[in-house]
Amino acid sequence: AQSVSQHNHHVILSEAASLELGCNYSYGGTVNLFWYVQYPGQHLQLLLKYFSGDPLVKGIKGFEAEFIKSKFSFNLRKPSVQWSDTAEYFCAAYNNAGNMLTFGGGTRLMVKP
Amino acid sequence: ETGVTQSPTHLIKTRGQQVTLRCSSQSGHNTVSWYQQALGQGPQFIFQYYREEENGRGNFPPRFSGLQFPNYSSELNVNALELDDSALYLCASSLARTDTDEQYFGPGTRLTVT
Repeated sequence: AQSVSQHNHHVILSEAASLELGCNYSYGGTVNLFWYVQYPGQHLQLLLKYFSGDPLVKGIKGFEAEFIKSKFSFNLRKPSVQWSDTAEYFCAAYNNAGNMLTFGGGTRLMVKP
Repeated sequence: ETGVTQSPTHLIKTRGQQVTLRCSSQSGHNTVSWYQQALGQGPQFIFQYYREEENGRGNFPPRFSGLQFPNYSSELNVNALELDDSALYLCASSLARTDTDEQYFGPGTRLTVT
């Protein structure tokens, strides 16, 4: 069965610090990968997605993620975080075999001003 | 705002009862997926409907069932409620195939089973 794991449950950073959130998936076939974000009091929304091609994908608000097939990883990065990036971040993987999107457990990011 | 709405916002039920949760997808979205999000965890896929037919199912028992209607609305029904069913239930709609299309999430229904 497919699974997605996120290494950090809680991350606290100061503004301007660099961010990297880990995500690993366990599925040997073709997967499509996503990062979703949930800001306080808001709906889950898409940050970025990877289907094929350039393994470095750029999303909204300066976020990017790198797909490393050999490591089954899809880590999220941002060079300089802002207070407004405080949110919960979810990595997710989709495989056509089950038509299902599998989410990781989430990482709660707090950015101190 | 994503255009996806859910009702009710909160609900309290007793163990053994049945519950129906409702979702209104964005206009034109043929696919709706339902997720269960327990406290402190990521959303877990329950099932997906495409053009009113179930199109994929996660590891949930048959007492979780759904319906999708032609007017872009859908329902999640849960029979014989258990305490562990307490969670936030999310629906998400997409234009067509969810492997390539972004899913737009609603705000969720918080279900408490006592």
